Amino acid sequence: QQQVKQSPQSLIVQKGGISIINCAYENTAFDYFPWYQQFPGKGPALLIAIRPDVSEKKEGRFTISFNKSAKQFSLHIMDSQPGDSATYFCAASRAGSYQLTFGKGTKLSVIP
Amino acid sequence: KAGVTQTPRYLIKTRGQQVTLSCSPISGHRSVSWYQQTPGQGLQFLFEYFSETQRNKGNFPGRFSGRQFSNSRSEMNVSTLELGDSALYLCASSTGQVQDEQYFGPGTRLTVT
Repeated sequence: QQQVKQSPQSLIVQKGGISIINCAYENTAFDYFPWYQQFPGKGPALLIAIRPDVSEKKEGRFTISFNKSAKQFSLHIMDSQPGDSATYFCAASRAGSYQLTFGKGTKLSVIP
Repeated sequence: KAGVTQTPRYLIKTRGQQVTLSCSPISGHRSVSWYQQTPGQGLQFLFEYFSETQRNKGNFPGRFSGRQFSNSRSEMNVSTLELGDSALYLCASSTGQVQDEQYFGPGTRLTVT
């Protein structure tokens, strides 16, 4: 049972555009939602994370929007750059646990 | 601070053999988690260790095991390798505070032939 559904699988965005990746979860016990960025041959790198007590968190060009009632959260990358081309994973974990449940990933390509 | 290191980076084994992978967490981090990454199943949690104790275990067969040493370094072992065990095995370290950020290493690419 996939507990975190991520879409789209792949995304092509023009340089300077906004990249939007969406995730939905089923387990209402989840209360920590990080996003990771992975380049080929590298391990995932933590980008930004949010907890359900806030609806939005922004760090530089990256913003997480969180909708607790809909059990959805999304990553927005503003002013997308070719260097942002990577695979992005959303994840979730329950209170008191380090077990991250990951979405299947979104391969982002930012074209000049 | 040095990041999470994993050794070896690449490994080729034959079906039926066993393998041991090593992970050194960030200095000061006491929690180590292991994940398996495959194209089909994505990233899946294997287990997490804190202060030499396994705190959580994912849904993998008993052929997958791990341990953590007093210096927080961790090893995972896979016995009786199967072709389906071919994957990128990732280690993540954290301070051990509840839901603190997890930082991943570069992974060990295991190929089973």
